[in-house]
Amino acid sequence: DGGITQSPKYLFRKEGQNVTLSCEQNLNHDAMYWYRQDPGQGLRLIYYSQIVNDFQKGDIAEGYSVSREKKESFPLTVTSAQKNPTAFYLCASSIKASGIYSYEQYFGPGTRLTVT
Amino acid sequence: AQSVTQLGSHVSVSEGALVLLRCNYSSSVPPYLFWYVQYPNQGLQLLLKYTTGATLVKGINGFEAEFKKSETSFHLTKPSAHMSDAAEYFCAVSESGANSKLTFGKGITLSVRP
Repeated sequence: DGGITQSPKYLFRKEGQNVTLSCEQNLNHDAMYWYRQDPGQGLRLIYYSQIVNDFQKGDIAEGYSVSREKKESFPLTVTSAQKNPTAFYLCASSIKASGIYSYEQYFGPGTRLTVT
Repeated sequence: AQSVTQLGSHVSVSEGALVLLRCNYSSSVPPYLFWYVQYPNQGLQLLLKYTTGATLVKGINGFEAEFKKSETSFHLTKPSAHMSDAAEYFCAVSESGANSKLTFGKGITLSVRP
């Protein structure tokens, strides 16, 4: 069964600690995305990657880092520099991310991060 | 730059009533438009999309939306609401050649009264 997995579902961390959120897809999609969701603010793009070993900042990249060493995986690290890390984090992928056609994104189930 | 406006944060309807969720967009080039649904503590699921061609698009669960270029709108409708439709709905826009990047509206929570 193809899809996107995010683990863990719930994550708790102490302030000042870095934490890495996992995102894996077996859809053979080229492009992957990370979003942050806060109540009443919709989804905001953190980082995206169109191809292995390449990624670009989204609208709210400060305090986050990513890597894309494999096509299937796009982990997100929330660093201690992120001022308000508590949020729901969603990973998505799309078939490709180039050309004139815009492809829909498929979403994982999300990780709820709580930092105290 | 592209943007999406979803007026209001909450809509409440009775079971069996018409569902209308409004979405207006801003885009400098022909847009691609999407509606997604999110159930509590879950990811987003694609309801329907408009790319080119027919302006009335049908999606899953009986939802449909009409692209109106003159009004820059892409409102979501369903003739008869069901209790299971209660969720949060997001409208999103992407521009051709924009690397499939989506800009989302803030979302609308739909409640369905028995």
